[in-house]
Amino acid sequence: SQQGEEDPQALSIQEGENATMNCSYKTSINNLQWYRQNSGRGLVHLILIRSNEREKHSGRLRVTLDTSKKSSSLLITASRAADTASYFCATDDSSNTGKLIFGQGTTLQVKP
Amino acid sequence: DAGITQSPRHKVTETGTPVTLRCHQTENHRYMYWYRQDPGHGLRLIHYSYGVKDTDKGEVSDGYSVSRSKTEDFLLTLESATSSQTSVYFCAIGGRVDEKLFFGSGTQLSVL
Repeated sequence: SQQGEEDPQALSIQEGENATMNCSYKTSINNLQWYRQNSGRGLVHLILIRSNEREKHSGRLRVTLDTSKKSSSLLITASRAADTASYFCATDDSSNTGKLIFGQGTTLQVKP
Repeated sequence: DAGITQSPRHKVTETGTPVTLRCHQTENHRYMYWYRQDPGHGLRLIHYSYGVKDTDKGEVSDGYSVSRSKTEDFLLTLESATSSQTSVYFCAIGGRVDEKLFFGSGTQLSVL
């Protein structure tokens, strides 16, 4: 079963706008990660936030984590056409095996 | 792609035939994973390995077996391929349980 559920499933915005994607999960975690996938390619890691962190930034990316609500959000500011991709959240299952459980992803389209 | 090579990149096979997919890494990472990606399901873990000859099942392991006889290679075998195993298969590697994964470029498998 899916650990992470992303919302929305699809998002279409204009270049320059901000894009926000949300992720909810079910069980306790050690960390939550966000990955990006361009069409036909493998996943690329974007950012990792640990369970004792509330917010993290990387360039135009901002990730928040609310462990009490079991949810996270990914904000991409000043989006570009090149940000068009699918974005996945992934959580570990606290089994200390490194296994990640992925959500179904959010497909982002940024129109030039 | 962080020293990960998946082979073949594309394969078409017939129902009932055995198929082996290979994941080769040059990073000397301890952990290796096989995921499948299907529309509407995101990525689902098939099997994973936490060392040479140490493997375990993921959430969708039925019909699949794996082997890891040396650190750099992780093989995924479909003993008797079925149409439901048509999918894109991704290999991932990780150095530690609480860090990011690196993904290969994927293998597109079609079972006719």
